[in-house]
Order: sequence, then C-alpha cells, then structure tokens
Amino acid sequence: QSALTQPASVSGSPGQSITISCTGTNSDVGGYNYVSWYQQYPGKAPKLMIYDVSNRPSGVSNRFSGSKSGNAASLTISGLQAEDEADYYCNSYTSSNTRVFGGGTKLTVL
Amino acid sequence: EVQLVESGGDLVQPGRSLRLSCAASGFTFDDYAMHWVRQAPGKGLEWVSGISWNSGRIGYADSVKGRFTISRDNAKNSLYLQMSSLRAEDTALYYCVKGGFGDFYYHMDVWGKGTTVTVSS
Repeated sequence: QSALTQPASVSGSPGQSITISCTGTNSDVGGYNYVSWYQQYPGKAPKLMIYDVSNRPSGVSNRFSGSKSGNAASLTISGLQAEDEADYYCNSYTSSNTRVFGGGTKLTVL
Repeated sequence: EVQLVESGGDLVQPGRSLRLSCAASGFTFDDYAMHWVRQAPGKGLEWVSGISWNSGRIGYADSVKGRFTISRDNAKNSLYLQMSSLRAEDTALYYCVKGGFGDFYYHMDVWGKGTTVTVSS
C-alpha cells in the first residue's frame, strides 16, 4: 500500500491556473474511477473538492476540476485566488480493498 | 446537517489499548460506508480503515492490520475503532469520515473534527 505520489509543493499567482498531479498504479488510480481530492487548511478537517475523478460536490467552485489519464490523476485550479492556499490530497480506492492517499501538496498563492 | 463527533482519544502507553467512538447524525447512518483516517502531527492524511454499510466488507491499512478493529452499531448510529498494541507511530488526530452509499470504494465526503491519540511512556 504505497502512498500515491504528489508534488510536495506548487505555487502560482492570483488569476493563474495550476495543476497538481497524483500518480499511482493500475491497482489504484489507473484501475478505478474512484479518485477524489481534498482541500485542508491548517488546523481544519479536510473538505471534499472532487470525487469520481472529475465530479464537483455541490457548493465547490467550478474553478476546481479533475481529470485522469492512465495511472495519473490531476487537479486543476483556474483563476487562482488567495483563499485557495491550502494543502491538497488525492485519494483512490485500491484493488487490495483499501483506500490510499497521496502525500499531499502545499499550494502557495504568490 | 450531517455531523460526526469523535471521542475516546487519550494519552496511552505503548502496548496498551484504546477504543475510539464516532457518533453520527443528520443522515441515514446504516445506508453508508464509514472510515477512519488519521493525521500525525505535521504529516499528511493516512487512511486507516473502512467498513461497508452492513459490516460485510472491511478493510485496513497494512500499518494497522492485526492491531486495529473497526466496527459499527447501526442501531446506535455509531462507528468504533478498537486499537491495541499501540505504538508511538500511532500518535495522530483520528478522523471519523462518512463514506459513500453502501460500500467503501466510493469517496469519503463528510469529516468530523477528530480526536487525538498520543502514544507515549
């Protein structure tokens, strides 16, 4: 059960777009369309931003979008805003009947 | 409003046991899978365990398999995590998380505020 691979940090200026990658294997990300993304502010519980690769829960800004190609999933945030500065985690179901998180990515808005 | 309230976190010595509880409200508890996710201080999220709506399917992370047991009582709208043979590396904030309809291959959506477990002599 190795963690999914995410970049430790990404940054962007207000108004720009950024993409966070999440790389797994064909036993997790590549094998199922059950990839989700979470946003976490310091000291707060995570919040679901994307589920089933590309679906947004009600109330989540359409600036957030998700996609997948092969064993890699991506979260894109367009029109970057200061309030987007947070940690982001991907998560996937696995063939071992478990779920696995990525190591997390710290987004800095310059 | 969906609410998940964890309890049972404490300071315990290595090798001892502890039971966490999660009281759920605001949704039909016995329709949904449930999970425990933990976060060590300053670290990322780690999925610990999940249980389907009827307890028919259960999964554990390798790091806790054989030491932790997840269970639920649908009559009491409650989720539990029995932790034994605790180690220093189990020190973390433990979140109770609502899963998808039925089974736990669906996403996790609503999180509690967490309960803190500290394992230290």
